[in-house]
Amino acid sequence: AQKITQTQPGMFVQEKEAVTLDCTYDTSDPSYGLFWYKQPSSGEMIFLIYQGSYDQQNATEGRYSLNFQKARKSANLVISASQLGDSAMYFCAMREGATGTASKLTFGTGTRLQVTL
Amino acid sequence: EAGVTQSPTHLIKTRGQQATLRCSPISGHTSVYWYQQALGLGLQFLLWYDEGEERNRGNFPPRFSGRQFPNYSSELNVNALELEDSALYLCASSLRAYSTDTQYFGPGTRLTVL
Repeated sequence: AQKITQTQPGMFVQEKEAVTLDCTYDTSDPSYGLFWYKQPSSGEMIFLIYQGSYDQQNATEGRYSLNFQKARKSANLVISASQLGDSAMYFCAMREGATGTASKLTFGTGTRLQVTL
Repeated sequence: EAGVTQSPTHLIKTRGQQATLRCSPISGHTSVYWYQQALGLGLQFLLWYDEGEERNRGNFPPRFSGRQFPNYSSELNVNALELEDSALYLCASSLRAYSTDTQYFGPGTRLTVL
């Protein structure tokens, strides 16, 4: 089974509108972290926002917020007031385990967001 | 504070050659990770180094290897290059190796194998 599922290969949003990018995950580990990254055409992965499995509140970072629904195993990224510079690939990723052991990030397949005028 | 740096930016090799990619983590970070992003295959975990030791590796053949130096910088070596090794190789670092620790990525090295 896929550990991270992003079902939207591509999304369009108008400038200044809000957009939600979906992410569902699968893990039996009670301790995990969920991350969203942005990858512009230049290739660099830019960290956007983090949500821990024990966090009681949804994470927010500026125009980015994470809609964390633990029971549904979803961690959707909400971008408010979209800007042209938000056009990029967006990846959801998970890191399982409290310490060390399998410290890699597992990535979804990504969603390509295009912001239009 | 300087971010993760990688060199070279681009690397062109021919089949059978060896490639060496380098990564310097954020100051104070001890864990370094390597990922491969090949067209159509998404981001795949390659290797994880922490405190100079290889801690975990992904599902890649042994010709992918690396090391971490005492200053925590890292090197990825790919021997006997094959055409399918053409990809963007991303290095990341984190302060520690907890699930809560963010991995910060470098700009990547684009390897082309002809």
